[in-house]
Amino acid sequence: AQSVTQLDSQVPVFEEAPVELRCNYSSSVSVYLFWYVQYPNQGLQLLLKYLSGSTLVKGINGFEAEFNKSQTSFHLRKPSVHISDTAEYFCAVSEGNAGNMLTFGGGTRLMVKP
Amino acid sequence: DTGVSQNPRHKITKRGQNVTFRCDPISEHNRLYWYRQTLGQGPEFLTYFQNEAQLEKSRLLSDRFSAERPKGSFSTLEIQRTEQGDSAMYLCASSFDRINSPLHFGNGTRLTVT
Repeated sequence: AQSVTQLDSQVPVFEEAPVELRCNYSSSVSVYLFWYVQYPNQGLQLLLKYLSGSTLVKGINGFEAEFNKSQTSFHLRKPSVHISDTAEYFCAVSEGNAGNMLTFGGGTRLMVKP
Repeated sequence: DTGVSQNPRHKITKRGQNVTFRCDPISEHNRLYWYRQTLGQGPEFLTYFQNEAQLEKSRLLSDRFSAERPKGSFSTLEIQRTEQGDSAMYLCASSFDRINSPLHFGNGTRLTVT
């Protein structure tokens, strides 16, 4: 069975500082990896996805993530955050079967301070 | 593309009552998913449909939970004899039936059982 661990439940950071949100997964087969963002009172929005190919994936709003198979990680990064990036971020994994069913991590709340 | 629509946005009910939520997916999508999200947690997969066929329902939380998608378009999720532990955000998502096609989420229905 697959699982996703987001070690940091909250990450406070000052505006314009860099940030990394950590994600580790476990699976016995090849996986597809996703990051979603959830703003208050809104649904989840896809930030980026890793399917195959280049291990560095760029997404919307200046975010990027790097797939590291040996460390089973898919950490999300942004070089300079804005107040508007304050939200909950979820890492998710799919084994590509069961109808692309996603298994989510517990989420990381990014709090950007002025 | 009007996005995934969920109704109602909020539902307050008394313990023991039945509730039904509706989800209208993106019209071109033939897969539809239901997830549950409790406070401070990531979304938890419940069930999914491909067109009108419910292909995975073993993750439904109990036999009080049921879902339908009778014509392969909108879907309903029903909870019978609600309990306080059912209080959560219920999320619907849809996607194409291609492998690794990303899920598009609605804004959810927040259920409060008193």
